[in-house]
Amino acid sequence: DTVLTQSPATLSLSPGERATLSCKASQSVRRYLAWYQQKPDQAPRLLIYDASTRATGVPARFSGSGSETDFTLTISSLEPEDFAVYYCQQRSDWPPLTFGGGTKVEIK
Amino acid sequence: EVQLVESGGGMVQPGGSLRLSCAASGFTFKNYAMAWVRQAPGKGLEWVSAISSSSSTQYYAASVKGRFTISRDNTNNMLYLQMDSLRAEDTALYFCAKDLFPNYVWYFDLWGHGTQVTVSA
Repeated sequence: DTVLTQSPATLSLSPGERATLSCKASQSVRRYLAWYQQKPDQAPRLLIYDASTRATGVPARFSGSGSETDFTLTISSLEPEDFAVYYCQQRSDWPPLTFGGGTKVEIK
Repeated sequence: EVQLVESGGGMVQPGGSLRLSCAASGFTFKNYAMAWVRQAPGKGLEWVSAISSSSSTQYYAASVKGRFTISRDNTNNMLYLQMDSLRAEDTALYFCAKDLFPNYVWYFDLWGHGTQVTVSA
């Protein structure tokens, strides 16, 4: 199974700052990686798929990059509504589909 | 309105059974693969099972294979998860989720709000 390791576990930043989240795969997933945002007591929301394609309605401040085993989600300037938990998910080597353990972006 | 609404969760004893349902509306259900994803209290997301648009293929996580069965009714726009031989570690919020595109990309762009399953004596 492909293991996705996200870092850091928690990112403490202020509104307006840049957030950089990492997702590393235990084997190549080519570019078959997605990013989701989850706020407390809400369902996950798809942000990015195929490593860098923004889903419908996702603001341009969210961007994804990377390939093979190393991926990054960047939020260029944090808005108050961006403080949440972010998960990566791969669909290259499945079943099983796998998710990373998550990165919590919290207000500093 | 485009939505997924789960139901059927509850509290059950170890070894018991539950059947989760997910009602889909606002999109052409029969065209999309669907999945169940769970989240244990305070934990991350775990994929549980998936099914192709025509029901021809089902997929399961190793942790539930042989105990859970996914199915769908394309006439009535429903997704199901039959859960047997439940264990304490199956305790979680169960989400149903819709594939992003009709051609099986296995990313999920529409999620329900989840139904809680608690397995406890």
